[in-house]
Amino acid sequence: GAGVSQSPSNKVTEKGKDVELRCDPISGHTALYWYRQSLGQGLEFLIYFQGNSAPDKSGLPSDRFSAERTGGSVSTLTIQRTQQEDSAVYLCASSVGLAGEQYFGPGTRLTVT
Amino acid sequence: SQQGEEDPQALSIQEGENATMNCSYKTSINNLQWYRQNSGRGLVHLILIRSNEREKHSGRLRVTLDTSKKSSSLLITASRAADTASYFCAPLIQGAQKLVFGQGTRLTINP
Repeated sequence: GAGVSQSPSNKVTEKGKDVELRCDPISGHTALYWYRQSLGQGLEFLIYFQGNSAPDKSGLPSDRFSAERTGGSVSTLTIQRTQQEDSAVYLCASSVGLAGEQYFGPGTRLTVT
Repeated sequence: SQQGEEDPQALSIQEGENATMNCSYKTSINNLQWYRQNSGRGLVHLILIRSNEREKHSGRLRVTLDTSKKSSSLLITASRAADTASYFCAPLIQGAQKLVFGQGTRLTINP
């Protein structure tokens, strides 16, 4: 079956511009997560959504970052006024519930010039 | 930090040898998961071990969990070149209900 998909796969943007990253989770998965991974580093949790509950935004690094999940499916991560330190691979994952194994998408490589 | 911390940071072995990676964490967990990452992109789930389990097997993988020591290990037996990757442990923190990833162990299998 279809896995988690993310778009775009690569994004180059100028400092100060806004970007939107998209994640399509596996159908039926109620939990959706966003992570950020800088070169050679581990994953940094950003936000998760679980069903209709309020999202856990505790990992968002600043108010320039926001995310939404429409209809319990597709999610968009928005970064406003991008900075060079935002350059990283942004990974999305989904799971059946919060405690289960997570299925990751291929990621979006964001480069801010 | 509550993250899982892997040890060693890098490991290089010959094909056919066994590879052992360790993970430590700092608080109570519901389960602990191991993931593999190739080429710096998407992660693949390898195995999940629950807090009331002590050992779990999946093919050439063996995972142990010692909740009294807050540690886990991943053993890959009879390693292959295709096992070259970064391996991450991710404890599911009790109460927080989210995985916290460490920096990973970079495993290189030499032919």
